[in-house]
Order: sequence, then C-alpha cells, then structure tokens
Amino acid sequence: TQLLEQSPQFLSIQEGENLTVYCNSSSVFSSLQWYRQEPGEGPVLLVTVVTGGEVKKLKRLTFQFGDARKDSSLHITAAQPGDTGLYLCAGAVPGTYKYIFGTGTRLKVLA
Amino acid sequence: DAGITQSPRHKVTETGTPVTLRCHQTENHRYMYWYRQDPGHGLRLIHYSYGVKDTDKGEVSDGYSVSRSKTEDFLLTLESATSSQTSVYFCAISEPGLAASYEQYFGPGTRLTVT
Repeated sequence: TQLLEQSPQFLSIQEGENLTVYCNSSSVFSSLQWYRQEPGEGPVLLVTVVTGGEVKKLKRLTFQFGDARKDSSLHITAAQPGDTGLYLCAGAVPGTYKYIFGTGTRLKVLA
Repeated sequence: DAGITQSPRHKVTETGTPVTLRCHQTENHRYMYWYRQDPGHGLRLIHYSYGVKDTDKGEVSDGYSVSRSKTEDFLLTLESATSSQTSVYFCAISEPGLAASYEQYFGPGTRLTVT
C-alpha cells in the first residue's frame, strides 16, 4: 500500500515567519499535487509538479519535487494570515488514474 | 472554478437506511472520484470512474457502490448506512491531459451523519 506522510501535522506561526511542509513516501509517483483546503470547502489545487527536481513558485509559495519523485516540499516565505488552512499533498500512482493523499498539515498564521 | 456540484450538502440518516449522494459536473471530464475525509486520515479514495458505466474500487470501497450512467453524473450509494460511514464526502473530476498531469478538481463536499 502506498503512503504519503506529511509533516508537521500542525503548525502555528507568527505572521512574517517562513515555514516548510514535507510530503514523503517510499513509492514513486508520476506527479504530485499540492492543495489548500478551507473549512467547509473542497480542496483547491495550488500546483502540480511532474519532473524529478522540478521547482515551481506561486508568489510566496515554493514547491519542489524530489529528484526520485518520492517526496515533495512546500515552502512559504513571510507567511500571512491568509495562508491559514489545511495543506494536502497528493501523488498520482504510476500507470493508474488514482491519487494517494497525505494526511495534511494544518497551518495557522497569527497576525 | 470547475463546475462541480454535490447534493445534498448535508444529510443526517439512521443506521441501516440506504443513502445516495450525487455529484454533477459541467466540465465533460472523463474521470470522476469519490473520496471520504476523516480526521487523521486525510482523503481516502472510495471508488472512481473512467467513463460511462466504467468504474473501479478505491482503498475503502467496502459498503459503498457507485454508478455512472451519464458523463456528468456520478452517484455514490451506501446500501445500508453504518455509523462508521459518518464522514465528509468529496467528489472530484479529472481529465488526462499532458502525461502524468492529472490534476483533480473538487466539489464542495457532503457532510453525512449516520445516527
């Protein structure tokens, strides 16, 4: 069974601080997605990374896919209260149309 | 925003009763998915569909069945609801484009409580 472990599970930081969320697996994925979910809503796609070593930036968010396509990280620079939410990573299982989700990182940014 | 709706948005039902949740999309995407989200477990795949009348099981399919008679609709049925099926259910859609780039778009969710 493929698993995606996210760390940390919870993170509470002050506005302006930097943070990194990790998504790790022993399995290879054909692509990896990051989502943010607000209370009472469905996850919203932030980014997809496909190539090993790929780095994508979305304003203050930087996403990286591991060279071996088994892990990924999300780095937020100068966090703002609007970044508060549940961050989920999801890996696409090779040869299928299935996705495996991590358990999520709940981020709270205090003003 | 992707055109995905789920109905009902909230439902309370009794143990042993059948329940059907509906997902409707206006994007003409080929793939549709049902997930459940529970604290500490993230999102877990129940069933998915890769075309009309084509479905397959996910990792937590026991106690659930699905049907897809039209591209735009994907139904999830709990034949006899149990308290362990109390959860938030999300529908998602996807359309294979570039290789490995199968992004999913999610509906707003259905909160189901089985008493």
